[in-house]
Amino acid sequence: DAGVIQSPRHEVTEMGQEVTLRCKPISGHNSLFWYRQTMMRGLELLIYFNNNVPIDDSGMPEDRFSAKMPNASFSTLKIQPSEPRDSAVYFCASSLAPGQSYEQYFGPGTRLTVT
Amino acid sequence: LAKTTQPISMDSYEGQEVNITCSHNNIATNDYITWYQQFPSQGPRFIIQGYKTKVTNEVASLFIPADRKSSTLSLPRVSLSDTAVYYCLVGERDKIIFGKGTRLHILP
Repeated sequence: DAGVIQSPRHEVTEMGQEVTLRCKPISGHNSLFWYRQTMMRGLELLIYFNNNVPIDDSGMPEDRFSAKMPNASFSTLKIQPSEPRDSAVYFCASSLAPGQSYEQYFGPGTRLTVT
Repeated sequence: LAKTTQPISMDSYEGQEVNITCSHNNIATNDYITWYQQFPSQGPRFIIQGYKTKVTNEVASLFIPADRKSSTLSLPRVSLSDTAVYYCLVGERDKIIFGKGTRLHILP
């Protein structure tokens, strides 16, 4: 199994540009999570899907962030417009069972730098 | 949501047993205790999960006392490659929170 796949691995963009991060969960996993990690705030859950439906998006910072899961094998996290404070590592994770307490498998992350 | 407290950092030596304790005084009846490990430039990796008493797998052991207000992750005979950040999480099905974790540094 290839594990959770994220692309791109690194993204450098200018303030105001649109950024799209992509994730392919492990086949057969029903839950998908997007996290953001910074030195100051640690690892924060942004949004959680179960069976392609958003269950908890209370961690999404503001309207500039949006996430979609059009099917069981693909999800996107979009930031529009991007700001320097969005610079962070964004992780996608998937889980076989519903809920956040079950074992989550994390991808390698996308390091986003907004200048 | 139960708040967890764990040491910010720990040092140990190769070959030693390392115990990392996490306190969670307001743990709820339905909460499970989960530990993750994160290496630099990688995503976290699940280590172990438990509800009460002791759980052991090929990587670690998790000790949970009867009152469940704390838990201890035990890593037997650590090596340099065990240098990582270790997160203790407490929560039930739909809500867990990653804290700042414990930065474990293994010395030769």
